[in-house]
Amino acid sequence: QVQLQESGPGLVKPSETLSLTCAVSGYSISSGYYWGWIRQPPGKGLEWIGSIYHSGSTYYNPSLKSRVTISVDTSKNQFSLKLSSVTAADTAVYYCARLRDYGDYYFDYWGQGTLVTVSS
Amino acid sequence: SYVLTQPPSVSVAPGQTARITCGGNNIGSKSVHWYQQKPGQAPVLVVYDDSDRPSGIPERFSGSNSGNTATLTISRVEAGDEADYYCQVWDSSSDHCVVFGGGTKLTVL
Repeated sequence: QVQLQESGPGLVKPSETLSLTCAVSGYSISSGYYWGWIRQPPGKGLEWIGSIYHSGSTYYNPSLKSRVTISVDTSKNQFSLKLSSVTAADTAVYYCARLRDYGDYYFDYWGQGTLVTVSS
Repeated sequence: SYVLTQPPSVSVAPGQTARITCGGNNIGSKSVHWYQQKPGQAPVLVVYDDSDRPSGIPERFSGSNSGNTATLTISRVEAGDEADYYCQVWDSSSDHCVVFGGGTKLTVL
């Protein structure tokens, strides 16, 4: 069973960089698939942030692209998110998920999510 | 960028059929995927590739997609189906993006 677990600070100051890591178990990232980050502001809908292939190839949401970096560490079987210059608008629950890419692209396994609050 | 439009809310009585729509320009040419999200929980995939169900998802959940509208249909609705539902597509036209609809709150009366 594939499992994903997000980790990182729950509180980030405005203008700083948000950093999260997603640890994957039950599946080797090196075996394939894309891996992604999605966020959900309190009381709002889902927003895709970006995705990365095990080789390091990335796709980013154009609205966030200038501030986002997603990287992968196959030796640790994990991938990471960095979002720079955060503001209160970046306060959200952040999910990591596996993006299945056989045929079409959809998320079949999700982490439980982690709340990140941007506040001084 | 590609836009998906969902009604904010749908209400249905137990035992009836709920239909949640997802509108997009020529969405019938894309594959549509649907997620269910209950309060405080991560989303769960309930339909993929327009009409396929992952293992463990009841047959009561079905999907269709044609023209400018995709539809998630929940038959014999139960109280436990009350949740937010999101449609999603992969937009390969320009930026290669995952696109989510705004979500629909299903209320079981």
